Amino acid sequence: DVKVTQSSRYLVKRTGEKVFLECVQDMDHENMFWYRQDPGLGLRLIYFSYDVKMKEKGDIPEGYSVSREKKERFSLILESASTNQTSMYLCASIIRGTNTQYFGPGTRLTVL
Amino acid sequence: RKEVEQDPGPFNVPEGATVAFNCTYSNSASQSFFWYRQDCRKEPKLLMSVYSSGNEDGRFTAQLNRASQYISLLIRDSKLSDSATYLCVLTDSWGKFQFGAGTQVVVTP
Repeated sequence: DVKVTQSSRYLVKRTGEKVFLECVQDMDHENMFWYRQDPGLGLRLIYFSYDVKMKEKGDIPEGYSVSREKKERFSLILESASTNQTSMYLCASIIRGTNTQYFGPGTRLTVL
Repeated sequence: RKEVEQDPGPFNVPEGATVAFNCTYSNSASQSFFWYRQDCRKEPKLLMSVYSSGNEDGRFTAQLNRASQYISLLIRDSKLSDSATYLCVLTDSWGKFQFGAGTQVVVTP
């Protein structure tokens, strides 16, 4: 069975802190994505990666960076958290050439 | 203007009734279309792909109208377990996924 896991379900951080969100998939998928989901706005793509050490900016990359050192792991980094980064963060992966996204359970991040 | 627009609802539906709702998109070059289901405080999961010829999956029927740039989802014989938010998803010409904000459906006993 397909499995995408995220390091935390809930996280509370202070403004200015560095925040790491980790995502791991066990399906050998090439493509991985980070989204944030806010009420009324839907999911918005932050970054995606189509291979190890490869990354591409999504629609809202400002204030974020990513790391993909291993195929199964895709990390989202908030270098200096701000209150407007309070959101639900969802990781997803797909097999290249297909369109079925498998999502992790999400991390609800609150920045105080 | 948002690329993908959905009526947020909620659509309150008596159990056993039929409910239908649409999603409009602005980019005529959009490639593929899907409905995802998201339960409260859970991750989205693929419900079904959407094709121009229309397609069914049990009580769910999806349709794509490229000329008018919308997709639709119809749920027949609604069950309490159908209560969820339904996300309209498409891929653009670059293969990137675009999401609507979702339509909430509440099925009542």
